[in-house]
Order: sequence, then C-alpha cells, then structure tokens
Amino acid sequence: KAGVTQTPRYLIKTRGQQVTLSCSPISGHRSVSWYQQTPGQGLQFLFEYFSETQRNKGNFPGRFSGRQFSNSRSEMNVSTLELGDSALYLCASSLGGLALNEQFFGPGTRLTVL
Amino acid sequence: GQQLNQSPQSMFIQEGEDVSMNCTSSSIFNTWLWYKQDPGEGPVLLIALYKAGELTSNGRLTAQFGITRKDSFLNISASIPSDVGIYFCAGLFYGGSQGNLIFGKGTKLSVKP
Repeated sequence: KAGVTQTPRYLIKTRGQQVTLSCSPISGHRSVSWYQQTPGQGLQFLFEYFSETQRNKGNFPGRFSGRQFSNSRSEMNVSTLELGDSALYLCASSLGGLALNEQFFGPGTRLTVL
Repeated sequence: GQQLNQSPQSMFIQEGEDVSMNCTSSSIFNTWLWYKQDPGEGPVLLIALYKAGELTSNGRLTAQFGITRKDSFLNISASIPSDVGIYFCAGLFYGGSQGNLIFGKGTKLSVKP
C-alpha cells in the first residue's frame, strides 16, 4: 500500500510569488490535513479537508488556501510569499479525520523563500 | 488565542527510567493528541484522548485527558533508546462550525543507554 506522497519535495521561491503544493493521500483515505513546521514556531495546523470540504482550520491568514479533489488529492496554495513562509509543509491523511483514526504523514515539502 | 504550554522542553534520562511530560492551557480542549517525531520523519500519532478524565495506554505509553479539559500528560515507562525523539501534544477545540488544532512546542527526549 503506497504511503502519503507530497510533491515537490523541495522548492525555492522569491518573495511575492505564489506556490502550490500537492498531497496524495493513502488510497481510501478521505481526510487530508496540512501543517507548517519551522524551528521557531514549531508545528502549526493549517487546515483539514474531508470529502472536498474544509472541515477544520488553523490560524493562518487568507494567503494560505487549500482544496481537495474528488479523488481525495489535496493542494495547498500560498500567495504573495513572505520570507517567514519558509518551512517544511507536511500533509497527513486518515480514514475519518484529524483525531478519529491513525494519521499518516507524508515526507513533507521543504519551501525556501528568498 | 489558544496556546499550549508543554514541559519540559527537553529531557535527558537513563535507559529504564520512567518519563513524564505534560501540556497545560488556559483554554478548554475537546480532544488531546500526543505525537512523536523522529529526526527527518513526519510525526506519528501515539494516543488520542476524547473525554475529560480519560486514561489511555498504548504499550509503555499512558496518557490522560485532564479533568478540567485544560491539560494532559504523557508517561513513558521503562524508557528504551528508540524512545528518543520529540514528543508533541496537541489540543483540538471547536469554535463555531470548524475545529482548530493547537500544538505544544515539543519535548525533546534523549535516552542514555
């Protein structure tokens, strides 16, 4: 059974640009959640999608958005990039949701904003 | 906004010792989660707690949902070298129709064989 895959694995952008990250969940999983991890702020929850609907949301500005497709694949978009957006972006998938079932995390996308 | 205070920040213990860490907040949470993250890996969900007072075990790990719903602790008994890593607590709360998940800053555990 394939694990959670994230693409790309590494990305370098400049301030002001926008970026789209992709997450493919484990087959059959309907919940995909996104997280930002930085040395300074630690792990922070961005949002969770379940069956194409945003079900839970963290405290990030509107520059951070996401969506989920009918095949459960999810994308996260960050517009008008800032230096502080440099981070490891993790996604996780699960059968039922954030805390209902075991979550499986992907390897992450390392975003560097110059 | 909601914040979690996780302590201790780091621990350096002898193999075989028991470990205790906790998370506290001034806010109420509906669910408490405990994760472990190894270097270069994504977090792994260890234990989920759903109601106040709940005590749940997963092998040598035991976690409790505080009775006030504002805190949780995680105990690891008889630590072994593979317990090394960073442990995160997270609290899930619902404000309106959507929930939010808040993480603690983590407890870095080092085990001396």
